[in-house]
Amino acid sequence: DGGITQSPKYLFRKEGQNVTLSCEQNLNHDAMYWYRQDPGQGLRLIYYSQIVNDFQKGDIAEGYSVSREKKESFPLTVTSAQKNPTAFYLCASSIMGLVYNEQFFGPGTRLTVL
Amino acid sequence: DAKTTQPPSMDCAEGRAANLPCNHSTISGNEYVYWYRQIHSQGPQYIIHGLKNNETNEMASLIITEDRKSSTLILPHATLRDTAVYYCIVRSDGSSNTGKLIFGQGTTLQVKP
Repeated sequence: DGGITQSPKYLFRKEGQNVTLSCEQNLNHDAMYWYRQDPGQGLRLIYYSQIVNDFQKGDIAEGYSVSREKKESFPLTVTSAQKNPTAFYLCASSIMGLVYNEQFFGPGTRLTVL
Repeated sequence: DAKTTQPPSMDCAEGRAANLPCNHSTISGNEYVYWYRQIHSQGPQYIIHGLKNNETNEMASLIITEDRKSSTLILPHATLRDTAVYYCIVRSDGSSNTGKLIFGQGTTLQVKP
């Protein structure tokens, strides 16, 4: 089955520790995205990548880092510099092109920093 | 990308049609209207999109006014499983398209038995 997987579903970390969230897709999509969602709020874009080995900051990139070494993988690291990292993190992917591109979302990772 | 305005919440009786409005008065000619929904603690799911004409698929219908300043998503026979947050998003598609979606706070639809 094609889709996007995120792991783990729940993650607990101590304050001051870096943590890496996994996102993998087998849809052969060029573009991948990371969003953050806080309770009762919409999604906010952290980083996105349109091609391997290239990525751009979204609206709230501070305290986060990403890499895109393979087309199917786009891991997100939440660093100790992120002041309020507890949130629901969602990864998405889409094809790129001149026509509309539906974004497919993973199930999300709920990160809690203690 | 144009900004959208949606009511924060709506109720609908099971089996009845749910009509979710969205205002996008600053929409420009090359901007599409997209609808996604998010069931609690899951990733958002694409529902439908349109430019000028009304659109229908197996999930819903999208009615866009002639001036394109507002639209309505219609779920023809709402079920309890349609309880979710519904996001209306306006975005341009074209050579400058980065694929980014800008999510507002959406409308929380509660379908009641």
